Amino acid sequence: GAGVSQSPRYKVAKRGQDVALRCDPISGHVSLFWYQQALGQGPEFLTYFQNEAQLDKSGLPSDRFFAERPEGSVSTLKIQRTQQEDSAVYLCASSLEPLGNQPQHFGDGTRLSIL
Amino acid sequence: AQSVTQLDSQVPVFEEAPVELRCNYSSSVSVYLFWYVQYPNQGLQLLLKYLSGSTLVKGINGFEAEFNKSQTSFHLRKPSVHISDTAEYFCAVSDTDKLIFGTGTRLQVFP
Repeated sequence: GAGVSQSPRYKVAKRGQDVALRCDPISGHVSLFWYQQALGQGPEFLTYFQNEAQLDKSGLPSDRFFAERPEGSVSTLKIQRTQQEDSAVYLCASSLEPLGNQPQHFGDGTRLSIL
Repeated sequence: AQSVTQLDSQVPVFEEAPVELRCNYSSSVSVYLFWYVQYPNQGLQLLLKYLSGSTLVKGINGFEAEFNKSQTSFHLRKPSVHISDTAEYFCAVSDTDKLIFGTGTRLQVFP
């Protein structure tokens, strides 16, 4: 398919472990976003890439969260020393151009459970 | 900073009845508004967007929304709902490089 693809769909980790979540955006999309969606809540912004440049990481909750997009396509969100409060659905979205009026296309998310 | 308020956390409705899901946003000089739908265990799907021009916006699946600048509202409506419309609906405003979402409204359609 031509949509945003995220893997894994589900991830269970023990507290203290490191995890890596992958996002394959729609081909040719310049902008890539990561959001965190807690149970029963709306998505909350984590970070934003324009091509390979991380232009906004103001939403990352702590220095345990790290994101990269080294070649301007696939992105990885890494969480180090996971805590129970990190349990959430992590959504990736992409848009064609870096403009506020561009709709964002979302993947199905990775559901992360920290035990 | 922008913010979005969805006044109803849950809206129960019978099939074929009309429905309105309410959304209010904090005012700004210019604003882009979106409604997304989320089905269980899926990502968000764009229903419709307001960028400029006509204040009545039509989207997919028979939904429409009206932008009201004086009331800073962007309510979502459908004249006749189906069972398949049962889902979580999110209103969002564009804030430069990101979307700010409301807390969502769960639409439950009963037969």
